[in-house]
Amino acid sequence: DAKTTQPPSMDCAEGRAANLPCNHSTISGNEYVYWYRQIHSQGPQYIIHGLKNNETNEMASLIITEDRKSSTWILPHATLRDTAVYYCIVRVAVDYGQNFVFGPGTRLSVLP
Amino acid sequence: NAGVTQTPKFRVLKTGQSMTLLCAQDMNHEYMYWYRQDPGMGLRLIHYSVGEGTTAKGEVPDGYNVSRLKKQNFLLGLESAAPSQTSVYFCASSYAADGAYNQPQHFGDGTRLSIL
Repeated sequence: DAKTTQPPSMDCAEGRAANLPCNHSTISGNEYVYWYRQIHSQGPQYIIHGLKNNETNEMASLIITEDRKSSTWILPHATLRDTAVYYCIVRVAVDYGQNFVFGPGTRLSVLP
Repeated sequence: NAGVTQTPKFRVLKTGQSMTLLCAQDMNHEYMYWYRQDPGMGLRLIHYSVGEGTTAKGEVPDGYNVSRLKKQNFLLGLESAAPSQTSVYFCASSYAADGAYNQPQHFGDGTRLSIL
């Protein structure tokens, strides 16, 4: 599976947009990009995933570049409750289960 | 709908003791997984199962055994606990749609295990 690179930490003011980048320059054509977050002491929470098109759900948007070498997860209006570690994962979808590889992620701090 | 439920939530063991962690999911998912997370690190896959009666090794399987006797349950066993197994253990499950294996994993809230 392709490796991802994320900044170790980011700050964002409450009410402003948070833009979390992820580099996956070695991604292959059949690998999906997934985003999860982990709020202190809780289990990872699935946020969104996509292959090559931009995706949007009730929480945020995932923007994948045309060459698919990088992506950005955008939270339009951050709140204090969004303070968490955010993980970007790439994974090929194959028929033996998806053993996601979680790296260190980005620790997002939403500041009042 | 409870999702993925892990029991117990906390446990303290002495070196050499054995125990079993239980994971139950009510989403009728085919795939289930056990991960461990150590302080300041990401999750590492221990074992996983692609269906009832089947299991497979992940990245860090040594010292653990698993069983999937029922589709909704996935058990993680420590036969002889060691201090190096002090960690937070997460269970996850995912749906396997025909021809589409890109479904995300859904996690429980973890079991915090300390081995003295």
